[in-house]
Amino acid sequence: AQSVSQHNHHVILSEAASLELGCNYSYGGTVNLFWYVQYPGQHLQLLLKYFSGDPLVKGIKGFEAEFIKSKFSFNLRKPSVQWSDTAEYFCAFSNTGNQFYFGTGTSLTVIP
Amino acid sequence: GAVVSQHPSWVICKSGTSVKIECRSLDFQATTMFWYRQFPKQSLMLMATSNEGSKATYEQGVEKDKFLINHASLTLSTLTVTSAHPEDSSFYICSAIRDRDRDEQYFGPGTRLTVT
Repeated sequence: AQSVSQHNHHVILSEAASLELGCNYSYGGTVNLFWYVQYPGQHLQLLLKYFSGDPLVKGIKGFEAEFIKSKFSFNLRKPSVQWSDTAEYFCAFSNTGNQFYFGTGTSLTVIP
Repeated sequence: GAVVSQHPSWVICKSGTSVKIECRSLDFQATTMFWYRQFPKQSLMLMATSNEGSKATYEQGVEKDKFLINHASLTLSTLTVTSAHPEDSSFYICSAIRDRDRDEQYFGPGTRLTVT
């Protein structure tokens, strides 16, 4: 079965702390990988995506993610979080049929 | 660019009635749109893939007769919840893939459905 698992359900950090959110997917074929963010009261927005090439991808607002094919992982990182990063983060992948599958999300709270 | 709108943003209906939710791609053509359902504190659950001019593809466990999807044009898909029940209360989100690149989904703001 195709699925995405996010290991951290709720993360609380102080400003300037480093962030890493885990994401693993389950699918045997070629995938495109995404991280989406949902700020309070807003709709989902794309943070970054990986299709091919350099497995380390950089997105908006200082976020980056690394695709490790052997581990089926696509972890999200940011070296120094800000209060404005408080949001819900969703990892997702799409298969060759353009179907998208989302993880359960990680709620990040950054304390000023 | 790449804006997706949904209407209404919030709807309350009585049990047994039907309600229609619209999803529009405002500045691009979208042959393919998706409908998701999001429960509180949970992830998005893909309900169906909507393709312009053809029948929608429903995910396993989603009742196609209850959740009617019509993708009548390249910018509009509608989801009709028929004979709604309180357990259908949820947040419904649509997304669209832009035809010219098809590499990313653009999400609508969602519709909060409350069935009383």
